[in-house]
Amino acid sequence: EPEVTQTPSHQVTQMGQEVILRCVPISNHLYFYWYRQILGQKVEFLVSFYNNEISEKSEIFDDQFSVERPDGSNFTLKIRSTKLEDSAMYFCASSSGTSPPDTQYFGPGTRLTVL
Amino acid sequence: GNSVTQMEGPVTLSEEAFLTINCTYTATGYPSLFWYVQYPGEGLQLLLKATKADDKGSNKGFEATYRKETTSFHLEKGSVQVSDSAVYFCALKAGSGAGSYQLTFGKGTKLSVIP
Repeated sequence: EPEVTQTPSHQVTQMGQEVILRCVPISNHLYFYWYRQILGQKVEFLVSFYNNEISEKSEIFDDQFSVERPDGSNFTLKIRSTKLEDSAMYFCASSSGTSPPDTQYFGPGTRLTVL
Repeated sequence: GNSVTQMEGPVTLSEEAFLTINCTYTATGYPSLFWYVQYPGEGLQLLLKATKADDKGSNKGFEATYRKETTSFHLEKGSVQVSDSAVYFCALKAGSGAGSYQLTFGKGTKLSVIP
């Protein structure tokens, strides 16, 4: 069964450094998403992406964040200058966009630790 | 705005016990409702879904009924197994169509089943 994959599984970085989290969505899906979960808190929506542009973003997704689909398979989340409060599990998801309710399928997550 | 409230965990049950995890929501319009499950060390997996009032989603012995009058989507299973130990997330998506809609999650309920 097709699945969403994410790399790395765990990323440790110093405050102020740039990080890029990578995702490979399911191959025929058209909509891509990033969510995050700070330890002990809710899973929160960050951004959705369709047709090579952001379609929706939350207030969390400020100028420090960016997303890109650099080729036909990868979908990346970049954090330009990490802060301690960016430490969280980051989940990528994708959906086909063709059949309601258009279920989102999630990857295993990348645990980001900012020191 | 949209919100999901689910019962606080952790929940510890003996094998073959009956499980209920409560979930209530606030949303405008007619959302689609989901239960996701996260097994230890893995990503979020769709467990079941419902798109309109009185729909019952079911999978792997789990069931949940979309109750518009009580704005609820409680998860139930008649006889839990050790392998059901996981974190369960209730989520909603505003609208029942396809396309880019963010999911709003509850905080998650950790279930531990002991032999």
